[in-house]
Formats: sequence, C-alpha cells, structure tokens
Amino acid sequence: DGGITQSPKYLFRKEGQNVTLSCEQNLNHDAMYWYRQDPGQGLRLIYYSQIVNDFQKGDIAEGYSVSREKKESFPLTVTSAQKNPTAFYLCASVQTGGNTIYFGEGSWLTVV
Amino acid sequence: GENVEQHPSTLSVQEGDSAVIKCTYSDSASNYFPWYKQELGKRPQLIIDIRSNVGEKKDQRIAVTLNKTAKHFSLHITETQPEDSAVYFCAASPGSNYKLTFGKGTLLTVNP
Repeated sequence: DGGITQSPKYLFRKEGQNVTLSCEQNLNHDAMYWYRQDPGQGLRLIYYSQIVNDFQKGDIAEGYSVSREKKESFPLTVTSAQKNPTAFYLCASVQTGGNTIYFGEGSWLTVV
Repeated sequence: GENVEQHPSTLSVQEGDSAVIKCTYSDSASNYFPWYKQELGKRPQLIIDIRSNVGEKKDQRIAVTLNKTAKHFSLHITETQPEDSAVYFCAASPGSNYKLTFGKGTLLTVNP
C-alpha cells in the first residue's frame, strides 16, 4: 500500500477552476485506476489505464481527464465541466496477472 | 456492464456474534471477488478475496463463500470485535482488466 502516493491529501477548488490530483506508484504496476467516493457511497470508476499512453473511460468519466505518459504516474484532472466534484478520490494500481489492487491514501476535494 | 448489489447497508451486532454481508453480481464473466474494509477517511484495505474456481476461502475469523450459479458471494466474520467496526465493500471483476465494480458498502457496528 505504501507504494502508491497521492497528493495533495486535501484540496479546495473554486468554481470554474481545473485541478489536478497526482498519483505516483513505485510498485512497477502496469494498470492504474481512479475512483470517486461520495459520503456513504461505494467507489465509482472514473478512468483506468492498463498500459502507458493508453486509458479508458470508466462509469463516470464526464468532467474528468487523465494522462499516462509514464508507467508510474496517472494524474487526474477535475475540470470545470464536473459540476459536483466534491468527493474523496482514490487512485489504485495492480500488476497485470496479479491478484491484489492497491489503493493510495486518497485525496479530499472540496469546492468552495 | 457489471452491477453489484450489497446487503445490508447497515449491520449492528454484539461483540462475539457473527456478521454476514451478502453481494450479488450480474456479469457471468466476473471471476474475481475481493472484500475491502474501510475505516472513516482512510483507504480501502483488502481483507480477503476469492476467485471463481473456489467455493470458499477462510482466513482466521473471516471467510468468503461464492455461488457462481446464483451469482452471489458472502462475507462471514465470526467472533466479532469492536475493531471490526468499519464499512465493508464487496467488488467483482472479470479479471481481464481488473476493472472492479463495487457494491455500495455495509456499515458494520460491533457493540461491546
């Protein structure tokens, strides 16, 4: 678990601003994921990437964008098009052929 | 896509009692079923998982059962302790891309 680092842990965004959440892993994992969690709710998949320079939309991709230029990095941008971005964001990774998905510690995003 | 239903949404037990949480899934291609424990404000932690070629798996006080025909799987916690209090999530994945679909969670409270 300690091999996935998310930053910042807390972030405040003004309406109309884009913000980027960082996710870095040193586990040499191929696949990386972004999930969103709302209070009292489960985790919903935003985007995922199975290989460098490739990514796919999850169930709630609208208003978000990602890039995967390096194996260890998968940043998430919350754009102004995301009308209700206040949530807990979790990054995760897994080694292809492996069993366990590891989560970062999460980032809290609040719109002010 | 996959749909995972989880019940109950809240569960309160006395210390020492057993707790059972049930999940159903819709996609017959799913073959990997992990369970996560999440404490308030923290990341989900994997507690046990099962693959579709196994019907039951145990790890000390925790067990998971899987019925592929009925497309449901369950988490069993025996001899519950106050530190078991948390939100528990089930999830399902087809395995090919490790794209997890989560249930909405069960808030377990173990009363001393």
